Amino acid sequence: AQSVTQLDSQVPVFEEAPVELRCNYSSSVSVYLFWYVQYPNQGLQLLLKYLSGSTLVKGINGFEAEFNKSQTSFHLRKPSVHISDTAEYFCAVSDRGTGGFKTIFGAGTRLFVKA
Amino acid sequence: KAGVTQTPRYLIKTRGQQVTLSCSPISGHRSVSWYQQTPGQGLQFLFEYFSETQRNKGNFPGRFSGRQFSNSRSEMNVSTLELGDSALYLCASSLAGTGGPRVEQFFGPGTRLTVL
Repeated sequence: AQSVTQLDSQVPVFEEAPVELRCNYSSSVSVYLFWYVQYPNQGLQLLLKYLSGSTLVKGINGFEAEFNKSQTSFHLRKPSVHISDTAEYFCAVSDRGTGGFKTIFGAGTRLFVKA
Repeated sequence: KAGVTQTPRYLIKTRGQQVTLSCSPISGHRSVSWYQQTPGQGLQFLFEYFSETQRNKGNFPGRFSGRQFSNSRSEMNVSTLELGDSALYLCASSLAGTGGPRVEQFFGPGTRLTVL
């Protein structure tokens, strides 16, 4: 069965420092990969997506992610974080199952940006 | 273009009652998916509707049901509420379903259900 593992449940980081949020998935077929962000009391907002093509994907708010097929990873990075980046981040994988495409979310990583 | 809207935003019910949540997708989107979000279980997929048909279903008991109307609006119903049903229920719409080239899901703000 398909699964998504976000390796860190919480990541504290100082403002203006770089950050990497790690995501690994298990799937033997072609997949589509996503990172979403959720601010308190809000729904999820798409940060970036990998559908095909270049393995380095750039998203909104200065985030980027690299798709690594051999390591089945899709880690999210930002070179310099801001206080406003404090939120929960979800990695998601979508592939074709018996009932059509399904999207599975990771457990989430809570990013705390400290001043 | 208006985003995904969910009503109501907050709901308080007691055990044994039933509840109906509503989701209006982005105009032109034909797929609507529902998720349950809790601190312990994270985001769990409930079901997806596409063109008024349930196309995918997660691992939830039959107390959880849904439907989609011809205008793509969707409702989710939970009968015989249990304390464990307290959660944020998120609705997401997309053009082509939960996968494929047009897979991006747009989420609503959610309905927070509290069961007492």
